[in-house]
Amino acid sequence: GAGVSQSPRYKVAKRGQDVALRCDPISGHVSLFWYQQALGQGPEFLTYFQNEAQLDKSGLPSDRFFAERPEGSVSTLKIQRTQQEDSAVYLCASRGTGGNYEQYFGPGTRLTVT
Amino acid sequence: RKEVEQDPGPFNVPEGATVAFNCTYSNSASQSFFWYRQDCRKEPKLLMSVYSSGNEDGRFTAQLNRASQYISLLIRDSKLSDSATYLCVVNTLTGNQFYFGTGTSLTVIP
Repeated sequence: GAGVSQSPRYKVAKRGQDVALRCDPISGHVSLFWYQQALGQGPEFLTYFQNEAQLDKSGLPSDRFFAERPEGSVSTLKIQRTQQEDSAVYLCASRGTGGNYEQYFGPGTRLTVT
Repeated sequence: RKEVEQDPGPFNVPEGATVAFNCTYSNSASQSFFWYRQDCRKEPKLLMSVYSSGNEDGRFTAQLNRASQYISLLIRDSKLSDSATYLCVVNTLTGNQFYFGTGTSLTVIP
């Protein structure tokens, strides 16, 4: 079946531009996570949704970062006024229910801010 | 202090070798533990969950030591295809926050 998809796969933005990154989770998955992965590092938690509710946004690094999931399926991570330090791979993951904590990751969006 | 710490390596081992990775975590209330594998420029994929009693999946064995707050992964009879970065992952009590280590890089050499 279809896995988690993300778009665009690559994004180059000039410093100061706004970007929007999209995640399509596995159909029926209630939980959705966003992570930021810098080069040579593990993924760092950004935010978590359960259906349309954003239950945890403690990992968002600044108020320039905003995420939404208005209908409980597709999610968008928006970064305003991008800075060079925002350059990273942004990973989305979804998870089903029933006590299985496995997260399924999308291929990520590689953001480069110039 | 980071929630999860791993030796980044790199580990370069010959085919057929046995290699072990360790990972320590700081939150004693952590509930769930995993090893993920990440190939170069790919997304992480679950390798195995780590259970309190330890568990084995083919050539891979995972162990958990709650008292010392560390997790280990043992790979026996290494294959070239095992070359990847291995990420240790710890889940908090709420189930929402997953903390990843920086990953340990493994290269299996012919």
